[in-house]
Amino acid sequence: EAQVTQNPRYLITVTGKKLTVTCSQNMNHEYMSWYRQDPGLGLRQIYYSMNVEVTDKGDVPEGYKVSRKEKRNFPLILESPSPNQTSLYFCASSPWDRVNNEQFFGPGTRLTVL
Amino acid sequence: GDSVTQMEGPVTLSEEAFLTINCTYTATGYPSLFWYVQYPGEGLQLLLKATKADDKGSNKGFEATYRKETTSFHLEKGSVQVSDSAVYFCALFTGGGNKLTFGTGTQLKVEL
Repeated sequence: EAQVTQNPRYLITVTGKKLTVTCSQNMNHEYMSWYRQDPGLGLRQIYYSMNVEVTDKGDVPEGYKVSRKEKRNFPLILESPSPNQTSLYFCASSPWDRVNNEQFFGPGTRLTVL
Repeated sequence: GDSVTQMEGPVTLSEEAFLTINCTYTATGYPSLFWYVQYPGEGLQLLLKATKADDKGSNKGFEATYRKETTSFHLEKGSVQVSDSAVYFCALFTGGGNKLTFGTGTQLKVEL
């Protein structure tokens, strides 16, 4: 089944404790992206990757890191999480198409930073 | 920059009622337009899309027409069901950018 998977689905952590949220897709998509969803703000892009070893900042990259060493994986790293990073996070992938860029989303990771 | 404006929610309707969720946009160039749906506890799924002016996207009884003159992409359904209860996001993509730009989402609640 074609899908985007994220782990963990739920995470409660404390300020400053490094964490990684994994994202994997099995559709051989070139483009991958991370978003955060907050009430009243919709989805905002954190980072994206056009291909292996190619990443770039989105609208809200502060406090996050990413890497793209393999085409299928795009982990999101919080080196020193803070309470303002409490949010619902989505990974998405897409076969890069400059016309419509339909994106496929993972199920989400709900992160709470205490 | 690009932006999408959606009507505030929640929208509460009775089953079989007519649904309209308004969406307007601001974009440079000629965007592609999308409606995504998020069911409780799940990720976003593409509901429908339109890639050029006057295109109509449709899926599962939902429709939206790309109106360049009014920069709108309103979502409609003739008869909603309880199972349509979800959050609906309007989004746009322009070829010069590298992301989808989302609206804030509109929650729909359908009651018996």
